[in-house]
Amino acid sequence: GESVGLHLPTLSVQEGDNSIINCAYSNSASDYFIWYKQESGKGPQFIIDIRSNMDKRQGQRVTVLLNKTVKHLSLQIAATQPGDSAVYFCAENQSSGYSTLTFGKGTMLLVSP
Amino acid sequence: DTAVSQTPKYLVTQMGNDKSIKCEQNLGHDTMYWYKQDSKKFLKIMFSYNNKELIINETVPNRFSPKSPDKAHLNLHINSLELGDSAVYFCASSQGGWAYGYTFGSGTRLTVV
Repeated sequence: GESVGLHLPTLSVQEGDNSIINCAYSNSASDYFIWYKQESGKGPQFIIDIRSNMDKRQGQRVTVLLNKTVKHLSLQIAATQPGDSAVYFCAENQSSGYSTLTFGKGTMLLVSP
Repeated sequence: DTAVSQTPKYLVTQMGNDKSIKCEQNLGHDTMYWYKQDSKKFLKIMFSYNNKELIINETVPNRFSPKSPDKAHLNLHINSLELGDSAVYFCASSQGGWAYGYTFGSGTRLTVV
């Protein structure tokens, strides 16, 4: 079936650097996308979302970019901190009717002090 | 006050046993889910319930039986546990089956020995 995937399984950065985590999706009917952060021993936590009628959305230190032409999502984290170390997931959804989130493979972000 | 709570957090049991995992949400949501996260961190939907009715069953073995006594609770009972059932199980909830506002519990780590 169609699924969401990530290019990099592990990303190591230095504190203060900007991080970019990428995600490719294949379901062209998906119109809502979410990035989640999962810390060790915890459930996924919402970071930021974006609808398909937008190509960019900014939050606090995070930005999500959506390129529908190539079915690509990215999560940019500015001034990465050790507390950002976690597994990051993108998830896609079709907002019509009852549907569930389809998750991509996670990317582990490791931030060194 | 935890929004989505699961018990137990850890469960170690022998093959062939029957066990249950409980989930409760106090968000007033009407839709609840069970996800399974494997050793590679891949998250996959198992079940979705809306107002106590089964909406989605994603080809899960019938040894897994979800039960929703009311819309705030969704329990997962597993019969005849197998080694391959070892995983982290996450409960989640949302309103109206929408992906927006999806909230996850902290997970139950099931180990079958």
